[in-house]
Formats: sequence, C-alpha cells, structure tokens
Amino acid sequence: DSGVTQTPKHLITATGQRVTLRCSPRSGDLSVYWYQQSLDQGLQFLIQYYNGEERAKGNILERFSAQQFPDLHSELNLSSLELGDSALYFCASSVWVGGGTDTQYFGPGTRLTVL
Amino acid sequence: DAKTTQPNSMESNEEEPVHLPCNHSTISGTDYIHWYRQLPSQGPEYVIHGLTSNVNNRMASLAIAEDRKSSTLILHRATLRDAAVYYCILRDRGQGGSEKLVFGKGMKLTVNP
Repeated sequence: DSGVTQTPKHLITATGQRVTLRCSPRSGDLSVYWYQQSLDQGLQFLIQYYNGEERAKGNILERFSAQQFPDLHSELNLSSLELGDSALYFCASSVWVGGGTDTQYFGPGTRLTVL
Repeated sequence: DAKTTQPNSMESNEEEPVHLPCNHSTISGTDYIHWYRQLPSQGPEYVIHGLTSNVNNRMASLAIAEDRKSSTLILHRATLRDAAVYYCILRDRGQGGSEKLVFGKGMKLTVNP
C-alpha cells in the first residue's frame, strides 16, 4: 500500500459525458501528479500540482483539467469524453519539488471505460 | 528528456539473480537514473535511483557504468513477485524543473518457477 488513494476504482460512462477522478496523496506530500496509461500510448504524464498550484503540464487535452485543494487532495476532470479516453488514470504524490531525487508514490489507479 | 533504451523483455528463474540493462548514452551530468516497476494490475512502484555510484537498497542494487552511459538493475534473488514491467528513467536534478516521470516502453520481466 503506497498510501495514495484514488476513487473510484472503476468508472464506466458514455461518450460526451464528464467525470471526476479523485486522488488523496500520502500524508505530508505536497506534490500530486496525474498520469494516463493506455494500451497504445503507454504511461504518459498529464499534469502536476504542488501545494495547490499547477507546476507542469504534459500531454493533457484541453477537455481535461485538474486542481489541488487546500487539503492537498486533487481532482482530475475529464469532459466531452471520447472512446479514446478509455484508459487507466494514475495519481502519484511526492514530498517535495526539485532535485531529481524524490520518490513518487502511485495510487492503484482509476480504470475509465467510455462506451 | 533524455532517452533510455531497454530490451523489450527478459526471462529469469526463481531464486536466481537477474540483471536488467539500460542504455542512456545521451545522459547529462545532472540526470539521475531511476528505476520503477509496474506489477500486473497495479500502479508503478519505485525501485531505486542513483547518480554516479552504485546503490543498494532492500529491493535491488543499481550498478552504474563509469561513463554513466549505461546502468544495470540487479535483483539478487528473483521471486515470482518480481515479475513486472521495469522502467529505467532519467530525471534532471536541475532546480526548478518538474519532477514528472517520463516513462518509456519498459522491459517485461518474466520469472519462471
């Protein structure tokens, strides 16, 4: 158990809908990262938040957005869903930013299926 | 982001040592070498990281070539639980940069009983 929790575990929805994925980081971790894992693209970085502020963006679509709340939990919002958005979405957390050495702890993931 | 090259797959036998290679010929002086692994149906898991010197922890050892253009993750006694996809990742230690992980395709390790 990494200490990172993600809800829900599974999500099935239809095209055009909007969903929210939730992540609670490990106690004391200020950074939250979101990754998407699909069969054709592998694991890809989406976005990072540090202590409530956006820190870095990766290959995140404009239909997707995220935020980190004062209690440090984070939500990833996916809207106007398409079939190709079906994937595993992982949240990771780490204690600090900078230095290249901090360890990221991954949650169990949310499996999104868009029908 | 600097690139790493790993074999697509490897096989090993249970309770034997296994050496997982990684090439990173374009590594810069500020890049740390990190290894993560992903067990089936789980999120990635940190294994080990290093800069120049060899490193040991409870999970594995990391041997880094003197020129830093390659490294080897060593599992001293493979168990069935070590069957996973292993990712070798370079991370810039430059201050102010994002700490994101850039995953390649990784290497699938199969452990035979």
